[in-house]
Amino acid sequence: EVQLVESGGGLVKPGGSLRLSCAASGFAFSDYNMNWVRRAPGKGLEWVSSISSSSSYIHYADSVRGRFTISRDNAKNSLYLQMSSLRVEDTAVYYCARRGGYCTSTNCYKWFDPWGQGTLVTVSS
Amino acid sequence: EIVLTQSPGTLSLSPGERVTLSCRASQSVSSSSLAWYQQKPGQAPRLLIYGASIRATGIPDRFNGSGSETDFTLTIGRLEPEDFAVYYCQQFTTSPQYTFGQGTQLEIK
Repeated sequence: EVQLVESGGGLVKPGGSLRLSCAASGFAFSDYNMNWVRRAPGKGLEWVSSISSSSSYIHYADSVRGRFTISRDNAKNSLYLQMSSLRVEDTAVYYCARRGGYCTSTNCYKWFDPWGQGTLVTVSS
Repeated sequence: EIVLTQSPGTLSLSPGERVTLSCRASQSVSSSSLAWYQQKPGQAPRLLIYGASIRATGIPDRFNGSGSETDFTLTIGRLEPEDFAVYYCQQFTTSPQYTFGQGTQLEIK
């Protein structure tokens, strides 16, 4: 079964740090682009960061650039998100998601599937 | 950055009804780069549609996506009780800034 399981969430004070992990199983983790997405209370989904299969390409949303660092360990089938200088507005459920897709002669299709169940990060004094 | 605007924000409907959800992009989005997700409380988002109109594996045929360029829709042909959830569209045209719409809440009347 293809599965993603996040861990590492918790309560942290503003300015603090936290490291999230995402354990992958049931598929060739090293073949896929991986992502972090968050959902703040009462708000919608927000893409946070992506990392290519070999870690060659890394991208961040403007809201977290310079404070969050995405990484992966293909030998351990794991994805990470190191979060520092945390703000109250970073409070959210954080999901890891695999980017799937394929290309035909004319189009390239992309999607996020599967997603993990999420881990809650609460930033509060 | 491409902004996706979903409407309406909330819909109150009854099981058995047909519903159409809208996702409008601030600039043209490749049809192959538009996906729809369903999210229920306490659960992870679930992929419904990719390529604007291609149902993901295991998705019932009452879910249909359509549209092009800046206007996309998700239609649920006949609402089942399990369909009441939040629905999001997402674009991949401006890869890797994979922006989402703000979501449409579908609630039971």
